[in-house]
Amino acid sequence: SQQGEEDPQALSIQEGENATMNCSYKTSINNLQWYRQNSGRGLVHLILIRSNEREKHSGRLRVTLDTSKKSSSLLITASRAADTASYFCATDAFGGNKLVFGAGTILRVKS
Amino acid sequence: ETGVTQSPTHLIKTRGQQVTLRCSSQSGHNTVSWYQQALGQGPQFIFQYYREEENGRGNFPPRFSGLQFPNYSSELNVNALELDDSALYLCASSLGRGAVGTQYFGPGTRLLVL
Repeated sequence: SQQGEEDPQALSIQEGENATMNCSYKTSINNLQWYRQNSGRGLVHLILIRSNEREKHSGRLRVTLDTSKKSSSLLITASRAADTASYFCATDAFGGNKLVFGAGTILRVKS
Repeated sequence: ETGVTQSPTHLIKTRGQQVTLRCSSQSGHNTVSWYQQALGQGPQFIFQYYREEENGRGNFPPRFSGLQFPNYSSELNVNALELDDSALYLCASSLGRGAVGTQYFGPGTRLLVL
């Protein structure tokens, strides 16, 4: 079974708007990662945030992590049509050897 | 683009057949993990190989097996294929044991079982 749960399942916005996706998980973690997947292809790593970090930025991406609530959010600012993709959060169970993915959020950015 | 490659890109098999999928890891990486992604779902962990040894396995039956070679490339073998095995199979390479760092995914192999 998948540990992470993304919310919303699907999101449709206009180019230039911000997109926010949320992720919840169940167990203690070392880190949480966000990945993007275009059209059923391979996953592209976006950002990794460690359990002792609360916020991290990378270009137009901002990720927050709240370990007390076991949740994370991914904010994409000034979205572009090229951001259209599925976005997944993935966690490693503390000391684990695998990434556990949620079902993903499908983002559509309309131009 | 990561340096991880997978072959073949697409494959069609019939129930009961066997299939071998291949993955070349990124240069310098010694760990390969395999994932199965059914349509509309997130990837599910199959197993991981670290320095040619299996290092953990997900909830998949024994007919899913693997190998890692001295150059750290890897194979996923699936015997007695079932319709539910139809999925995108992803491999990911990383440096070091476990899942504490970034994993770099290949483009995947799409398997259709008829």
